[in-house]
Order: sequence, then C-alpha cells, then structure tokens
Amino acid sequence: ETGVTQSPTHLIKTRGQQVTLRCSSQSGHNTVSWYQQALGQGPQFIFQYYREEENGRGNFPPRFSGLQFPNYSSELNVNALELDDSALYLCASSAGLAGLQETQYFGPGTRLLVL
Amino acid sequence: DAKTTQPTSMDCAEGRAANLPCNHSTISGNEYVYWYRQIHSQGPQYIIHGLKNNETNEMASLIITEDRKSSTLILPHATLRDTAVYYCIVRVGDTDKLIFGTGTRLQVFP
Repeated sequence: ETGVTQSPTHLIKTRGQQVTLRCSSQSGHNTVSWYQQALGQGPQFIFQYYREEENGRGNFPPRFSGLQFPNYSSELNVNALELDDSALYLCASSAGLAGLQETQYFGPGTRLLVL
Repeated sequence: DAKTTQPTSMDCAEGRAANLPCNHSTISGNEYVYWYRQIHSQGPQYIIHGLKNNETNEMASLIITEDRKSSTLILPHATLRDTAVYYCIVRVGDTDKLIFGTGTRLQVFP
C-alpha cells in the first residue's frame, strides 16, 4: 500500500503567475482534502473532493481551484499568485463515503514560495 | 466549529511519559477528538482519535474525560523522535474537514 504523495516538493513562482500542485491519494482512498499551512500556523482547510466533485470549501478565494480525476488523484490550482500564498500546501486522502468519519492521511506537502 | 485549547509548549525527558492536555469545553455529542503531530516541515501524522471511550494504539493512548470537555494524549515512553507539534482537533461528525489550532510544541530532551 502506497501512501499519499505530492509533487513537486518545492516550487518558486513570481507574483501574478499561476501554479498547479499535484497529489496522489493513498490506495483505496476516494476523498482528497487540501490544506494551506503558513509559517508558524496550523494547516487551514482549502477544499475537499469526493469522487471528482467538490465537497466543501474553506475561506479561500475563487482563484484557488481544484480537480479530482477518476483515479482519485487531485490537483490544486492557484491563479494570480500573491506573496501571502507562500506556504506549505498539504494534501490528505481518506476512504469511504464523504461526510462519514474517515481518518485523513497527509502527504509530505509542497512548499511554495512566491516572490 | 468546536475550538480546542492547548498549551503552547511542553518539555519531556526521554523515556518518560509525555502527557499532552487539550480542552474542548464546547464539544458536542457527535464530535470526535483527533490527534495529529507534525515533525518539522513534514505532513501531519495521524496518531489516534476517540469519541467517548479511552483509546490506545501502538503510538499513544487517548484519555477523554467523562464530560468530554477535555482529553489527554499520552506517549508512554517519549523518545527524541517524538519531538514535534501536536494538534488536538475536534471534528464534527457530519463534516470531513479538520480545523487545526496552533498545537503544542513538545520538546523531548535526553
């Protein structure tokens, strides 16, 4: 059984650019959640995807968008990057039906730096 | 969403038990208590969760008070590798998002 993987591990972008981050969920998991973690803070929920549909969203603007693919892997897209978007982006996968208590397992994260 | 309160930091000697407290006085009947830890700049690692009863697994024990307003995570024999930020999270039964606070920074010293 493979764990959650994310790519790339590190990324440097400039303000105004667009970025795509990728996540492969753990084997057997059909739900993916994305979190943003600024330096010194706890992770903040961005949104969740269950079977290719968005299933809940945190307090993030529309320039944060996502996709989930039939194999349950996922992408996080951020348009018009701002300096405050510099953070560790975490993906977590879980199994079972959305809305039920299923443990989320996190990947190692992608560290994004916006200059 | 229910909130949790944890001490900012704690120290523990290697080999001793680490007891990490968490207050969740506004917890509701269907809300679970989850614990994760995060070792420097890595993804959070799941430790344990519970609803009403005490729980134990290979990593830790979770003690939840009878009124469910507080809980304690116990690492029975702390090692240097247990140095991390520990997050106590109250998770609503019908949602799937985790709401993290700032956690407790546990430093295990030799």
